[in-house]
Amino acid sequence: EPEVTQTPSHQVTQMGQEVILRCVPISNHLYFYWYRQILGQKVEFLVSFYNNEISEKSEIFDDQFSVERPDGSNFTLKIRSTKLEDSAMYFCASSAVAGGPRQFFGPGTRLTVL
Amino acid sequence: ELKVEQNPLFLSMQEGKNYTIYCNYSTTSDRLYWYRQDPGKSLESLFVLLSNGAVKQEGRLMASLDTKARLSTLHITAAVHDLSATYFCAVDVNTGNQFYFGTGTSLTVIP
Repeated sequence: EPEVTQTPSHQVTQMGQEVILRCVPISNHLYFYWYRQILGQKVEFLVSFYNNEISEKSEIFDDQFSVERPDGSNFTLKIRSTKLEDSAMYFCASSAVAGGPRQFFGPGTRLTVL
Repeated sequence: ELKVEQNPLFLSMQEGKNYTIYCNYSTTSDRLYWYRQDPGKSLESLFVLLSNGAVKQEGRLMASLDTKARLSTLHITAAVHDLSATYFCAVDVNTGNQFYFGTGTSLTVIP
């Protein structure tokens, strides 16, 4: 079965550094999403992306965050100047159509900010 | 502020028993999703409910949606240990472009 992949699986960075989290969505999918989950807490929506632009973003997704689809396969989340509170698991997801019938989630990248 | 609340937050049940998890939300939406998450793992899509009165069933799990009451339920029938996981509901507030997740229900099925 096709799957969403994410790299790296774990990223450790110093506060104030920039990080780029990478995702390869399923190849024929058109809608892409980033979520985060702080350890032991609920999943939080960050941003949705379609047709090379942001469709919607949450209040968490401030100017420190950006997304890009630099080529036909990758979908990236950049955090410009990381803070301690950015430490979380970041999940990428994709779907063939908006909202369904099913979103496929990647395995996640655990970001640790020291 | 939009709220998506699940209850219970923690559920411990014996194998063979039935139980229902509730998901209440505070905004108008007719699209709701259920996910399963095993410890340290990603999310697995279980159900997509796209209209009022929608009911979906797979195996021992059945999900329903009442958009007028702003309530979705996930019913577990004759629980087995393999169902132990955390279950999240998520409300679609912008036709597939923005989602709010519930607090999660951590289910433990005891043999």
